[in-house]
Amino acid sequence: KAGVTQTPRYLIKTRGQQVTLSCSPISGHRSVSWYQQTPGQGLQFLFEYFSETQRNKGNFPGRFSGRQFSNSRSEMNVSTLELGDSALYLCASTDSQETQYFGPGTRLLVL
Amino acid sequence: DQQVKQNSPSLSVQEGRISILNCDYTNSMFDYFLWYKKYPAEGPTFLISISSIKDKNEDGRFTVFLNKSAKHLSLHIVPSQPGDSAVYFCAASAPNFNKFYFGSGTKLNVKP
Repeated sequence: KAGVTQTPRYLIKTRGQQVTLSCSPISGHRSVSWYQQTPGQGLQFLFEYFSETQRNKGNFPGRFSGRQFSNSRSEMNVSTLELGDSALYLCASTDSQETQYFGPGTRLLVL
Repeated sequence: DQQVKQNSPSLSVQEGRISILNCDYTNSMFDYFLWYKKYPAEGPTFLISISSIKDKNEDGRFTVFLNKSAKHLSLHIVPSQPGDSAVYFCAASAPNFNKFYFGSGTKLNVKP
């Protein structure tokens, strides 16, 4: 099976812009979670989608949003970008054994 | 409110010796624990897991120990190899939680 894929891999934006990141989970996985990793920080949970519904949400402002499509692909959107949003954004899909499989991440740089 | 903590940001070990990475958690409802390894610019890779009904799980050079009374988890790597140099994250989940709580990671450096 193909692994979790994320596009784009690298992105440069300026403050105030918005960005949309995409994640395709492993075939058959219905749960997709998003995480943010900043330099020196651990992974911070953004939100989790299951069958097109947001099931869990972390403590991020409303500028961070997401959605999931019927084919389980998920997108994450960040509006009004701030310098502090520069990070590696990771997507993970979860199998029936509750094991998460991570994608390679999208590295976002906000200038 | 960090429910999973890795208090050592870094660890340096000589090749061939044992690496011990530690993790503490606060939520007694957690019943499933995982360790991930992460190389720079890559996503984390699943290493090994343990459920709360066990106190030890072994996979090759990697062994995870769980002490439920102390709410403490550790990963032992024996023998350590230079290719093990990476950041290691522990994660925990409670029943019916499809969300994992991650520690902040420990950077392991294995010196040749």
